Amino acid sequence: GENVEQHPSTLSVQEGDSAVIKCTYSDSASNYFPWYKQELGKRPQLIIDIRSNVGEKKDQRIAVTLNKTAKHFSLHITETQPEDSAVYFCAASINDMRFGAGTRLTVKP
Amino acid sequence: DTEVTQTPKHLVMGMTNKKSLKCEQHMGHRAMYWYKQKAKKPPELMFVYSYEKLSINESVPSRFSPECPNSSLLNLHLHALQPEDSALYLCASSQQHRLLGYTFGSGTRLTVV
Repeated sequence: GENVEQHPSTLSVQEGDSAVIKCTYSDSASNYFPWYKQELGKRPQLIIDIRSNVGEKKDQRIAVTLNKTAKHFSLHITETQPEDSAVYFCAASINDMRFGAGTRLTVKP
Repeated sequence: DTEVTQTPKHLVMGMTNKKSLKCEQHMGHRAMYWYKQKAKKPPELMFVYSYEKLSINESVPSRFSPECPNSSLLNLHLHALQPEDSALYLCASSQQHRLLGYTFGSGTRLTVV
């Protein structure tokens, strides 16, 4: 089955800086790559996703890039704000969603 | 309605109890999922229902029994659980199985004593 690895496990940045989280996947047939944000005690919420036929997607301060050849994808958050602090999960999907281990992002004011 | 509703939000049960978790969506989604999430860990897939039929069972112990009475409802029946089963149980739905766009419910935080 699909195996998703995510790095780093924790990330601390200063407000206004950029944050980058990276994931790799094992199954080249995976065709959908969402990113979820989970605040403490709350549900995972989809923040951005990308399909395998697209290399990059941007939504305001958030962007995702996909390199199918290398089987990795990344989340980029620019101009970080304290409210961006949360755990971020990447996932890869062929038949079902498999999550990475998560990255705890802390944005310091 | 663009939400997945889970009840109860919190549940404490003894190891000899029988309880059920409920999940409901009215988005017309035909795939529904149960995930289990332990503290500081990612959600782990338990079951997938597609068009009200069990599609995937990720080798989950029989003390967890899923049920999909109709396309809007998903239940998880619990019996003879162990303390290590304490976790956040998340329900999710998507338009169809193998298609994108999962919507998660808020989860049921289960404590087994």
